[in-house]
Amino acid sequence: DAGITQSPRYKITETGRQVTLMCHQTWSHSYMFWYRQDLGHGLRLIYYSAAADITDKGEVSDGYVVSRSKTENFPLTLESATRSQTSVYFCASSEDRGYGYTFGSGTRLTVV
Amino acid sequence: SQKIEQNSEALNIQEGKTATLTCNYTNYSPAYLQWYRQDPGRGPVFLLLIRENEKEKRKERLKVTFDTTLKQSLFHITASQPADSATYLCALDITGGGNKLTFGTGTQLKVEL
Repeated sequence: DAGITQSPRYKITETGRQVTLMCHQTWSHSYMFWYRQDLGHGLRLIYYSAAADITDKGEVSDGYVVSRSKTENFPLTLESATRSQTSVYFCASSEDRGYGYTFGSGTRLTVV
Repeated sequence: SQKIEQNSEALNIQEGKTATLTCNYTNYSPAYLQWYRQDPGRGPVFLLLIRENEKEKRKERLKVTFDTTLKQSLFHITASQPADSATYLCALDITGGGNKLTFGTGTQLKVEL
């Protein structure tokens, strides 16, 4: 099906482990984004990408790494998970500036 | 500092009435302002976008106004229905921001029968 898919839907990991959250879109949108959503903070930008091989940090990028070797994929890696990274993570894509974002269903990550 | 403020208290209204949600911002120069709907356990869904040189935008029962002097956007849902119950988020794409959105924390709307 066309759209933007995130996996896994739920993940529990231990402190210090590396975790990768996957994001795949089928529209060939240029822009892709990772946000985290926490109570009281709303959605905060972690990383964004304007095109394949072009990525840049957002507001809360410490402890996260991204790559975008192909237009359709934008994985987010937590290098060494901490409890403060327990959150719901949303991936989004956008065709261009002046267009709305399309969000995935989210990954609920718990770090114990 | 830059801030986007949405009423954190839930808005409860009766079915059939018009719901009005507010988004205020400070120290931003937005090129675009967008509104999203988010249901529990789901990702936000794009509703409307309004540009800095536009005063009003409509889509079916939805209307957005944008006052760059007041630094405020109002989001209206006319003839509201229980199915409109959700959290509504406003988001700014600032001039020179490169298509990055900064989101408010959202207002929860409950439409009662």
